[in-house]
Amino acid sequence: DAGVIQSPRHEVTEMGQEVTLRCKPISGHDYLFWYRQTMMRGLELLIYFNNNVPIDDSGMPEDRFSAKMPNASFSTLKIQPSEPRDSAVYFCASRLGGVKTEAFFGQGTRLTVV
Amino acid sequence: SQQGEEDPQALSIQEGENATMNCSYKTSINNLQWYRQNSGRGLVHLILIRSNEREKHSGRLRVTLDTSKKSSSLLITASRAADTASYFCALAGANSKLTFGKGITLSVRP
Repeated sequence: DAGVIQSPRHEVTEMGQEVTLRCKPISGHDYLFWYRQTMMRGLELLIYFNNNVPIDDSGMPEDRFSAKMPNASFSTLKIQPSEPRDSAVYFCASRLGGVKTEAFFGQGTRLTVV
Repeated sequence: SQQGEEDPQALSIQEGENATMNCSYKTSINNLQWYRQNSGRGLVHLILIRSNEREKHSGRLRVTLDTSKKSSSLLITASRAADTASYFCALAGANSKLTFGKGITLSVRP
């Protein structure tokens, strides 16, 4: 397996534009996590899914953020409208179910909102 | 808070020395995990310790867990320059939620 695949790797957009980040988890994994990493806040959990169903979205900062998982092999994180303070590196991770499983991370999407 | 707190925030040591990093937390956990992140890359899993375990080893890594004190430590023995990275502790709750601390920056001087 190629691992967790995120696209794009870098995104530069203007304030007010819609941004869509994409993630392909490892085949067969039951859980998918979206994180945001900044120097100030570290690695924040935004939302996670189990079998394509959102379980906890309490980390989503505002209504401008939304995430979907239409099937087991694809998830999106959308920001509409984007703001400069959304600039960060966004990571997607996936793992198997069970109590002793590690998470596998993608390479991240570096988002810059100008 | 459901996040772990790592200590120290930054650590600089000489190659060959041991590096000890600590993590404290406040919630109940199912297991605790340590990850490593090289600059500009995603996180990579290092080791997992269950709540009913006290110590685990993997190569040059040793992790301990004290659930009564709600703390864990990661020891890297005989450090190498290639160990330079950020290290994170992650808390896995019963609901399968996985949350991370802010990380420790480790610099190993050649």
